[in-house]
Amino acid sequence: QVQLVQSGAEVKKPGSSVKVSCKASGGSFSANTITWVRQAPGHGLEWLGGIMPLSGTINHARKFQGRVTFAADTSTNTASMEVRSLTSEDTAVYYCAKVAQELGGAVDLWGQGTQITVSS
Amino acid sequence: DIQMTQSPSSLSASVGDKVTITCRASQSISNFLNWYQQKPGKAPELLIYATLTLKTGVPSRFSGSRSGTTFTLTINSLQPEDFATYFCQQSYSNPPNLSFGGGTRVDI
Repeated sequence: QVQLVQSGAEVKKPGSSVKVSCKASGGSFSANTITWVRQAPGHGLEWLGGIMPLSGTINHARKFQGRVTFAADTSTNTASMEVRSLTSEDTAVYYCAKVAQELGGAVDLWGQGTQITVSS
Repeated sequence: DIQMTQSPSSLSASVGDKVTITCRASQSISNFLNWYQQKPGKAPELLIYATLTLKTGVPSRFSGSRSGTTFTLTINSLQPEDFATYFCQQSYSNPPNLSFGGGTRVDI
Protein backbone atom coordinates (compact mmCIF):
# COMPACT_ATOMS: atom_id res chain seq x y z
CA GLN A 1 0.00 0.00 0.00
CA VAL A 2 1.37 3.38 -1.01
CA GLN A 3 2.36 5.82 1.70
CA LEU A 4 3.58 9.38 1.30
CA VAL A 5 6.60 10.05 3.49
CA GLN A 6 7.66 13.67 3.91
CA SER A 7 10.96 15.20 4.97
CA GLY A 8 11.47 16.41 8.52
CA ALA A 9 10.68 19.63 10.33
CA GLU A 10 12.76 22.72 9.64
CA VAL A 11 13.37 26.11 11.21
CA LYS A 12 14.15 28.87 8.73
CA LYS A 13 15.10 32.54 8.86
CA PRO A 14 12.86 35.17 7.26
CA GLY A 15 13.83 35.74 3.63
CA SER A 16 15.25 32.27 3.17
CA SER A 17 13.86 29.29 1.24
CA VAL A 18 12.74 25.82 2.23
CA LYS A 19 12.32 22.64 0.24
CA VAL A 20 10.02 19.84 1.38
CA SER A 21 10.18 16.39 -0.18
CA CYS A 22 7.47 13.75 -0.43
CA LYS A 23 8.33 10.17 -1.36
CA ALA A 24 5.80 7.54 -2.36
CA SER A 25 6.74 4.44 -0.44
CA GLY A 26 5.40 1.06 -1.55
CA GLY A 27 4.24 2.16 -4.96
CA SER A 28 4.21 4.82 -7.64
CA PHE A 29 2.39 8.13 -7.83
CA SER A 30 3.25 8.91 -11.43
CA ALA A 31 -0.32 8.54 -12.68
CA ASN A 32 -1.77 10.85 -10.04
CA THR A 33 -1.63 14.53 -9.24
CA ILE A 34 0.40 15.35 -6.15
CA THR A 35 -0.99 18.38 -4.41
CA TRP A 36 0.37 20.50 -1.56
CA VAL A 37 -1.71 21.91 1.29
CA ARG A 38 -0.62 23.86 4.34
CA GLN A 39 -2.15 24.54 7.73
CA ALA A 40 -1.04 27.45 9.87
CA PRO A 41 -1.36 27.06 13.67
CA GLY A 42 -5.04 27.07 14.64
CA HIS A 43 -6.13 27.67 11.05
CA GLY A 44 -7.75 25.78 8.23
CA LEU A 45 -6.37 24.10 5.15
CA GLU A 46 -4.87 26.19 2.36
CA TRP A 47 -4.15 24.76 -1.10
CA LEU A 48 -0.81 25.81 -2.58
CA GLY A 49 -0.86 23.93 -5.87
CA GLY A 50 0.14 20.65 -7.42
CA ILE A 51 1.94 18.72 -10.11
CA MET A 52 1.07 15.84 -12.43
CA PRO A 53 4.37 13.89 -12.44
CA LEU A 54 3.78 12.08 -15.75
CA SER A 55 3.06 15.19 -17.80
CA GLY A 56 4.86 17.75 -15.66
CA THR A 57 1.74 19.93 -15.63
CA ILE A 58 1.79 22.33 -12.68
CA ASN A 59 -0.96 24.44 -11.13
CA HIS A 60 -0.47 27.12 -8.50
CA ALA A 61 -2.88 28.87 -6.21
CA ARG A 62 -2.85 32.49 -7.37
CA LYS A 63 -1.48 33.63 -4.00
CA PHE A 64 1.67 31.51 -4.35
CA GLN A 65 2.45 32.03 -8.04
CA GLY A 66 6.08 33.07 -8.41
CA ARG A 67 7.08 32.13 -4.87
CA VAL A 68 6.44 28.39 -4.78
CA THR A 69 7.95 25.77 -7.09
CA PHE A 70 6.79 22.20 -7.55
CA ALA A 71 8.80 19.31 -8.97
CA ALA A 72 8.53 15.55 -9.31
CA ASP A 73 11.00 12.78 -10.12
CA THR A 74 9.21 9.74 -11.48
CA SER A 75 12.36 7.59 -11.26
CA THR A 76 12.43 7.93 -7.48
CA ASN A 77 8.70 8.56 -6.91
CA THR A 78 9.57 11.76 -5.10
CA ALA A 79 7.80 15.09 -5.31
CA SER A 80 9.06 18.33 -3.82
CA MET A 81 7.95 21.83 -3.09
CA GLU A 82 10.14 24.89 -2.55
CA VAL A 83 8.91 28.09 -0.94
CA ARG A 84 11.05 31.20 -1.32
CA SER A 85 11.18 34.54 0.50
CA LEU A 86 9.79 33.05 3.71
CA THR A 87 8.01 35.20 6.27
CA SER A 88 6.54 34.36 9.67
CA GLU A 89 3.18 33.91 7.93
CA ASP A 90 4.61 30.84 6.20
CA THR A 91 4.93 29.05 9.53
CA ALA A 92 2.68 26.04 9.09
CA VAL A 93 2.45 22.30 8.65
CA TYR A 94 2.88 21.48 4.99
CA TYR A 95 1.22 18.37 3.58
CA CYS A 96 1.72 16.58 0.30
CA ALA A 97 -1.25 14.51 -0.83
CA LYS A 98 -2.46 12.40 -3.73
CA VAL A 99 -5.47 13.42 -5.77
CA ALA A 100 -7.67 10.52 -6.85
CA GLN A 101 -9.29 11.34 -10.19
CA GLU A 102 -11.38 8.18 -9.87
CA LEU A 103 -12.93 9.74 -6.73
CA GLY A 104 -13.88 12.96 -8.46
CA GLY A 105 -10.65 14.70 -7.58
CA ALA A 106 -10.82 14.05 -3.85
CA VAL A 107 -7.58 13.73 -1.91
CA ASP A 108 -7.39 10.14 -0.72
CA LEU A 109 -3.84 9.88 0.64
CA TRP A 110 -1.90 12.36 2.74
CA GLY A 111 1.68 12.60 3.90
CA GLN A 112 2.36 12.90 7.61
CA GLY A 113 3.02 16.64 7.34
CA THR A 114 6.18 18.73 7.70
CA GLN A 115 6.39 21.53 10.27
CA ILE A 116 8.07 24.62 8.84
CA THR A 117 8.82 27.36 11.36
CA VAL A 118 10.00 30.75 10.17
CA SER A 119 11.68 32.70 12.93
CA SER A 120 14.55 35.11 13.32
CA ASP B 1 -11.81 31.36 -7.92
CA ILE B 2 -14.48 29.27 -6.22
CA GLN B 3 -15.00 30.14 -2.56
CA MET B 4 -16.27 27.62 -0.03
CA THR B 5 -18.14 28.95 3.01
CA GLN B 6 -18.53 26.45 5.82
CA SER B 7 -20.73 26.80 8.89
CA PRO B 8 -20.74 26.73 11.80
CA SER B 9 -17.07 27.25 12.61
CA SER B 10 -17.54 25.26 15.79
CA LEU B 11 -20.24 23.43 17.68
CA SER B 12 -20.67 21.57 20.91
CA ALA B 13 -22.50 18.27 20.95
CA SER B 14 -22.99 15.18 23.03
CA VAL B 15 -22.54 11.52 22.27
CA GLY B 16 -25.65 10.30 20.47
CA ASP B 17 -26.52 13.71 19.00
CA LYS B 18 -27.21 14.35 15.33
CA VAL B 19 -24.84 16.93 13.88
CA THR B 20 -25.20 18.91 10.65
CA ILE B 21 -22.43 20.89 8.98
CA THR B 22 -23.04 23.05 5.91
CA CYS B 23 -20.78 24.14 3.07
CA ARG B 24 -21.82 26.62 0.40
CA ALA B 25 -20.00 27.10 -2.89
CA SER B 26 -19.76 30.53 -4.54
CA GLN B 27 -20.81 28.99 -7.86
CA SER B 28 -22.04 25.69 -9.23
CA ILE B 29 -19.62 22.82 -8.58
CA SER B 30 -21.96 20.01 -9.60
CA ASN B 31 -21.28 17.13 -7.18
CA PHE B 32 -17.54 17.78 -6.87
CA LEU B 33 -17.60 18.23 -3.11
CA ASN B 34 -15.60 16.23 -0.61
CA TRP B 35 -15.53 16.05 3.19
CA TYR B 36 -12.54 15.39 5.43
CA GLN B 37 -12.09 14.70 9.13
CA GLN B 38 -9.00 15.92 10.96
CA LYS B 39 -7.94 15.08 14.49
CA PRO B 40 -5.37 17.12 16.43
CA GLY B 41 -1.82 16.59 15.21
CA LYS B 42 -2.92 14.38 12.34
CA ALA B 43 -3.37 14.80 8.61
CA PRO B 44 -6.93 15.09 7.31
CA GLU B 45 -8.68 11.92 6.21
CA LEU B 46 -11.21 11.59 3.42
CA LEU B 47 -14.70 10.75 4.63
CA ILE B 48 -17.03 11.43 1.71
CA TYR B 49 -16.34 12.17 -1.96
CA ALA B 50 -18.54 13.32 -4.80
CA THR B 51 -21.08 14.78 -2.36
CA LEU B 52 -22.48 11.57 -0.96
CA THR B 53 -20.21 8.55 -1.48
CA LEU B 54 -18.61 7.25 1.69
CA LYS B 55 -14.98 6.21 1.42
CA THR B 56 -14.56 2.50 2.13
CA GLY B 57 -14.51 1.89 5.86
CA VAL B 58 -16.28 5.09 6.88
CA PRO B 59 -19.20 4.34 9.23
CA SER B 60 -22.70 4.69 7.83
CA ARG B 61 -23.63 7.27 10.48
CA PHE B 62 -21.87 9.76 8.17
CA SER B 63 -23.81 10.99 5.17
CA GLY B 64 -23.64 13.77 2.62
CA SER B 65 -26.22 15.61 0.59
CA ARG B 66 -26.63 18.57 -1.74
CA SER B 67 -29.19 21.24 -2.52
CA GLY B 68 -28.00 23.48 -5.32
CA THR B 69 -24.68 24.92 -4.22
CA THR B 70 -25.23 24.04 -0.55
CA PHE B 71 -23.77 20.80 0.70
CA THR B 72 -24.39 19.11 4.04
CA LEU B 73 -22.45 16.64 6.13
CA THR B 74 -24.62 14.83 8.67
CA ILE B 75 -23.38 12.68 11.50
CA ASN B 76 -26.13 10.58 13.05
CA SER B 77 -25.61 9.42 16.62
CA LEU B 78 -22.29 11.14 17.29
CA GLN B 79 -19.64 8.82 18.72
CA PRO B 80 -16.67 9.74 20.95
CA GLU B 81 -14.24 9.22 18.06
CA ASP B 82 -16.15 11.74 15.92
CA PHE B 83 -15.01 14.73 17.95
CA ALA B 84 -12.72 16.37 15.43
CA THR B 85 -12.57 19.14 12.84
CA TYR B 86 -14.35 18.70 9.53
CA PHE B 87 -13.49 20.39 6.24
CA CYS B 88 -15.28 20.54 2.93
CA GLN B 89 -13.34 20.88 -0.32
CA GLN B 90 -14.38 21.43 -3.93
CA SER B 91 -12.67 19.58 -6.77
CA TYR B 92 -14.65 21.10 -9.64
CA SER B 93 -12.24 23.80 -10.79
CA ASN B 94 -10.31 23.34 -14.01
CA PRO B 95 -7.44 24.02 -13.94
CA PRO B 96 -7.45 22.43 -10.51
CA ASN B 97 -7.89 24.67 -7.48
CA LEU B 98 -8.73 22.58 -4.46
CA SER B 99 -10.26 25.26 -2.26
CA PHE B 100 -11.33 24.23 1.24
CA GLY B 101 -14.01 25.47 3.58
CA GLY B 102 -12.86 27.09 6.81
CA GLY B 103 -13.55 24.01 8.92
CA THR B 104 -15.99 23.05 11.66
CA ARG B 105 -14.67 21.97 15.03
CA VAL B 106 -16.97 19.51 16.81
CA ASP B 107 -16.40 19.57 20.56
CA ILE B 108 -17.94 17.75 23.45
